[in-house]
Amino acid sequence: KAGVTQTPRYLIKTRGQQVTLSCSPISGHRSVSWYQQTPGQGLQFLFEYFSETQRNKGNFPGRFSGRQFSNSRSEMNVSTLELGDSALYLCASSFRGGTGEQYFGPGTRLTVT
Amino acid sequence: LAKTTQPISMDSYEGQEVNITCSHNNIATNDYITWYQQFPSQGPRFIIQGYKTKVTNEVASLFIPADRKSSTLSLPRVSLSDTAVYYCLVGPNNAGNMLTFGGGTRLMVKP
Repeated sequence: KAGVTQTPRYLIKTRGQQVTLSCSPISGHRSVSWYQQTPGQGLQFLFEYFSETQRNKGNFPGRFSGRQFSNSRSEMNVSTLELGDSALYLCASSFRGGTGEQYFGPGTRLTVT
Repeated sequence: LAKTTQPISMDSYEGQEVNITCSHNNIATNDYITWYQQFPSQGPRFIIQGYKTKVTNEVASLFIPADRKSSTLSLPRVSLSDTAVYYCLVGPNNAGNMLTFGGGTRLMVKP
């Protein structure tokens, strides 16, 4: 079974721009969660989507948004990029979501200059 | 979710057994204990999950005492490729909640 895929793997953007990251979950998984990882803050939960509905949200500003499509693929958007948004963005998929076993993708490394 | 405390780092040698202990004094009745492994620039990988006593799979064992205020991840005969960060998570095993990662334990396996 193919794993979680994320595109692009690397991205360089300028402050003020916006970016869209994509995540394709494992086939059959309906839950997709997004995490931000930085050296200073560690792994932080952004939000979870389940069957196209946002089910949970972390403590991030409204500049961070997401959506999920009917095929469970998910996108995350960050608008008005700031230098502090430079991070590894990870997507995780699971059948039912929550705190059960989750499968993480390789991540998208975003650098904001 | 219950707060967890684990050592920041540990060193070991190839072939040794490594035990990483996690403290979770405020664990709730419906909380499970889950461990993830992460290599640099990769997403975390699920290792094991348990509720009480002992759980074993092909990769590791998880020991949970009766009071459940701590847990120990045991990695038998580690190799250099086990060098990674190990995260202990505690929370209810149900949908609708999210994973809360702490600082993790950076394990360095030396030859």
